[in-house]
Amino acid sequence: SQQGEEDPQALSIQEGENATMNCSYKTSINNLQWYRQNSGRGLVHLILIRSNEREKHSGRLRVTLDTSKKSSSLLITASRAADTASYFCATVLKGSARQLTFGSGTQLTVLP
Amino acid sequence: DTGVSQNPRHKITKRGQNVTFRCDPISEHNRLYWYRQTLGQGPEFLTYFQNEAQLEKSRLLSDRFSAERPKGSFSTLEIQRTEQGDSAMYLCASSLSELNTEAFFGQGTRLTVV
Repeated sequence: SQQGEEDPQALSIQEGENATMNCSYKTSINNLQWYRQNSGRGLVHLILIRSNEREKHSGRLRVTLDTSKKSSSLLITASRAADTASYFCATVLKGSARQLTFGSGTQLTVLP
Repeated sequence: DTGVSQNPRHKITKRGQNVTFRCDPISEHNRLYWYRQTLGQGPEFLTYFQNEAQLEKSRLLSDRFSAERPKGSFSTLEIQRTEQGDSAMYLCASSLSELNTEAFFGQGTRLTVV
């Protein structure tokens, strides 16, 4: 079953705008990760945030984590057409074998 | 390229046939995972190995599926008596053992059962 749920399912923005995607999950986690997937390709790791962290930055990416609300957000600033892809959040559950439990993803389209 | 490598990239097979996929992880990674992804969904966990030991299997992994990692390096995933419902992208990932480390994914093998 899918642990995380991304919101929105699809997002279309103009180049240069910011894109925000949200993820909610159900049970306690060790960490939460965001991945990107271009159509028909493998997943590329973007950022990992630990359960005791609240915010993390990497280049144009900003991730927040609110463990009390069991939610996370991914912000992509100054978007580019090349950012067009599916974005997935994935959690590593406490007490698990450390496999990733993915949500169903947000399809981001950045229009030039 | 020292990333995770999967072969073949695409496989078309007739229903009832057996198929085998291979994954070569990043060499120093002792954890290896298999996932399955259907269209429009996120990947779903199938199984994982710590070195050569298969330590967890999802209930998605029916008895027609078997995975091996004989020397703790590459891994194979075999599906016997394929069904149309097995059509999916099969993804392999590898990582180090430490808790808060990222997993690196291969490009996947897309299986189509006709």
